[in-house]
Amino acid sequence: DAMVIQNPRYQVTQFGKPVTLSCSQTLNHNVMYWYQQKSSQAPKLLFHYYDKDFNNEADTPDNFQSRRPNTSFCFLDIRSPGLGDAAMYLCATSRGATGDTQYFGPGTRLTVL
Amino acid sequence: DAKTTQPNSMESNEEEPVHLPCNHSTISGTDYIHWYRQLPSQGPEYVIHGLTSNVNNRMASLAIAEDRKSSTLILHRATLRDAAVYYCILPYNQGGKLIFGQGTELSVKP
Repeated sequence: DAMVIQNPRYQVTQFGKPVTLSCSQTLNHNVMYWYQQKSSQAPKLLFHYYDKDFNNEADTPDNFQSRRPNTSFCFLDIRSPGLGDAAMYLCATSRGATGDTQYFGPGTRLTVL
Repeated sequence: DAKTTQPNSMESNEEEPVHLPCNHSTISGTDYIHWYRQLPSQGPEYVIHGLTSNVNNRMASLAIAEDRKSSTLILHRATLRDAAVYYCILPYNQGGKLIFGQGTELSVKP
């Protein structure tokens, strides 16, 4: 029944060690989003894919990259995690990109040691 | 860009109605008003959206002021499971993206 799946739910990495977070969807939606949510803050959009078109937010650090190999999967790569990158990372999908309802996964909580 | 303003927190008693306000005084004619909520340790979930008319669904009702400069999310009978942060968002105005403000943290007392 799960529609947006994120793996793993908890990820621990070391300072500077690359890490990849995974998101998959069973909704066949065109758009996939990645948000970062730090403790006691609101989710912040990092970037999104409309099909294969990548759209980066202006203030997203270069340390964050994304890949979408097919409709169902999207990955978030953090090239050199710093302590400030510890957060919940949320994946979401929507049919279109003009205000369509977004469906969120449960998130991956990233700890950086 | 049109922005939304919500109270930081509200309290409710279980099984009583809750009215969560949102101000969006610079809303444009094409802006839909969306509400999402985020339960503890979960991703946000869609609640309801509307343009001009009041809207109802199984989760809540959305009352939109006649001038559209404010709206109210109504939970008819709050339960403990409704304790969450509620976000009022105008995605069209922001290129269809969801830009989350601080939202209203709703606590429900038994």
